[in-house]
Amino acid sequence: SQTIHQWPATLVQPVGSPLSLECTVEGTSNPNLYWYRQAAGRGLQLLFYSVGIGQISSEVPQNLSASRPQDRQFILSSKKLLLSDSGFYLCAWSRGMTDTQYFGPGTRLTVL
Amino acid sequence: GQQLNQSPQSMFIQEGEDVSMNCTSSSIFNTWLWYKQDPGEGPVLLIALYKAGELTSNGRLTAQFGITRKDSFLNISASIPSDVGIYFCAGQLRGSQGNLIFGKGTKLSVKP
Repeated sequence: SQTIHQWPATLVQPVGSPLSLECTVEGTSNPNLYWYRQAAGRGLQLLFYSVGIGQISSEVPQNLSASRPQDRQFILSSKKLLLSDSGFYLCAWSRGMTDTQYFGPGTRLTVL
Repeated sequence: GQQLNQSPQSMFIQEGEDVSMNCTSSSIFNTWLWYKQDPGEGPVLLIALYKAGELTSNGRLTAQFGITRKDSFLNISASIPSDVGIYFCAGQLRGSQGNLIFGKGTKLSVKP
């Protein structure tokens, strides 16, 4: 069976510091991978998605970037965090673009 | 962009009551999905619908894919305190190879 992991579970960072959130998927190959942000416990905003290694599509311009160094690894990064980057970050995977997405447990990021 | 209108935004009900929420759009969908997000966790898939008119149950949950393919509803019967959370609908537009579109969620609170 497939499982999806996110690390860390919670993170408190000062403004201006860098960020690296990791997502890994087990039990499948060549998944589509997604990063979402959820503010104030409502609504899912798609940030990035990837259909393969090194292939990243950005949905909204922002202070964040994503990378996919391995087939089942998806990284969300920032060089300098802003207060507005606080939120709940969710990673998801699917077999194909039009298939059901399965979510990870999320990372709670607080920028102070 | 395409939108899903999910309603209600929030519900406050008494334990034992039935719950109904829905998603509508002006566009036609090939797939409807319903997710539940417990506080502080990632969304979990509850029910997936693939055919117009399809009615699917999962325990106390029942969801239907509207005949017009433009809407879907989710019913919860005899609510219990653990039903608390945010429920999201998501859909795959007909003829689109793009990502799922998510509703903004319905926040359910259950009073014991």
